[in-house]
Amino acid sequence: QVQLVESGGGLVKPGGSLRLSCVASGFTFSDFYMSWIRQAPGKGLEWVSYITNGGDTIYYADSVKGRFTISRDDAKNSLYLQMTSLRADDTAVYYCGVPGGYWGQGTLVTVSS
Amino acid sequence: EIVLTQSPGTLSLSPGERGTLSCRTSQSVRSNSLAWYQQKPGQAPRLLIYGTSNRAAGIPDRFSGSGSGTDFTLTISRLEPEDFAVYYCQQCGRLPFTFGQGTKVEIK
Repeated sequence: QVQLVESGGGLVKPGGSLRLSCVASGFTFSDFYMSWIRQAPGKGLEWVSYITNGGDTIYYADSVKGRFTISRDDAKNSLYLQMTSLRADDTAVYYCGVPGGYWGQGTLVTVSS
Repeated sequence: EIVLTQSPGTLSLSPGERGTLSCRTSQSVRSNSLAWYQQKPGQAPRLLIYGTSNRAAGIPDRFSGSGSGTDFTLTISRLEPEDFAVYYCQQCGRLPFTFGQGTKVEIK
C-alpha cells in the first residue's frame, strides 16, 4: 500500500535551517507530482510547495518563496524540503504527499529561541 | 488563488444521522482535482475522496462525494462514532493548491 514517511523535523532557532526528507513506497514515485503541506498548531492545512515528476517545474507558496527549496531523487523514491531563514510562524507539522491524494504522517518543525 | 469556503463551520449530529458538508470554490475547478480529507486530533489528514466522487482505498461506502464547477459536497450517509472529526476539501487543479478552512463534525 501507499506509504510516505517524513523525517528531519525538530527544534531550531529563528534564522536557522532544516532539511526534511520523505521516503515513498507502494507506488511509482517517479510518475507523480509531489507536494509539501503544513499545519500550524490548532490551524488548518496550508499548501507549501509542489514539484512535477521529473522535477522540471516547481512552485512555492508566497509565504516560503525564497526561503524553502523542494527537490526530489527518483532513484531513492525521496522528496526533500530544504528550509532556511526559519521564522516562528513556520512552526508546524509538515506533510509530504501527492496533491489530491495520500499524505504521510508528518514531521514536527518548531522554530523557537 | 482559488479560495475554498466550507460550510458549515461546525456540524452537530448524532450517530446514525446523515451529514452533508459543502465546499464552494471561488472559481470553477475541474472535477478530477477536488479531494476530501478527514482529520482526527493528532493524526495526519486521511484521503477520503479524490476526483470529486471516487472513494479512496478502504473508505466505507457511507462516504460519497459529488458536485461540479464551484459547488462540491461530501455526504456521510449514516454517521458512525469514528466519523466525528474535521473534514477538509482541497483543489489541486490550479496552483496554489488551496484547502478549505475545514468543517468540524461533532457529536450532538
